[in-house]
Amino acid sequence: DARVTQTPRHKVTEMGQEVTMRCQPILGHNTVFWYRQTMMQGLELLAYFRNRAPLDDSGMPKDRFSAEMPDATLATLKIQPSEPRDSAVYFCASGAGTGPFGYTFGSGTRLTVV
Amino acid sequence: AQKVTQAQTEISVVEKEDVTLDCVYETRDTTYYLFWYKQPPSGELVFLIRRNSFDEQNEISGRYSWNFQKSTSSFNFTITASQVVDSAVYFCALSETSNFGNEKLTFGTGTRLTIIP
Repeated sequence: DARVTQTPRHKVTEMGQEVTMRCQPILGHNTVFWYRQTMMQGLELLAYFRNRAPLDDSGMPKDRFSAEMPDATLATLKIQPSEPRDSAVYFCASGAGTGPFGYTFGSGTRLTVV
Repeated sequence: AQKVTQAQTEISVVEKEDVTLDCVYETRDTTYYLFWYKQPPSGELVFLIRRNSFDEQNEISGRYSWNFQKSTSSFNFTITASQVVDSAVYFCALSETSNFGNEKLTFGTGTRLTIIP
């Protein structure tokens, strides 16, 4: 089965450090999403791209978060500087076409900021 | 604003019992899509089903069935003859129309289902 691959699976970092999370979408999928899951807020959309261009990043704190797609096989989500409130599971998902569709989610990156 | 409500936070049933997970949604869109996802203990989100607002036919897939009723804005999910492997958190979601289409999903808070052997 085709999979969305996220790295790292777990990350513990100190407050103030830069964190980079990576996502390899399924080959051929042209739409990539970043979601964040916390106990308090549930699943929230942070940003998404189509054909590597950002379409909507309104859910993302702009002062410290940035999302990019350097190429069609890699999406990155960076937090600089990280804060304890950023602790969450970050999911990447990908899909083909213009949706909506049953996106395929990665296994997530569990981030803990201490 | 779009909203998805899963009023059942946690449900526990004994194996082989049937269980229904409730989902109620709010939207002003006339065209929308509803989804169910499963999140097992391993953490990944697994797509189960997508329905569009024009198709109110109930759907059955093995032990899973979905009941979509526009009149009550509900999209309920039933597992028949539950198994331990069904233990997971289940999320209902609604697509949101934006300037770019209707790809953004609004998720409910999830229902944690525990199947007791």
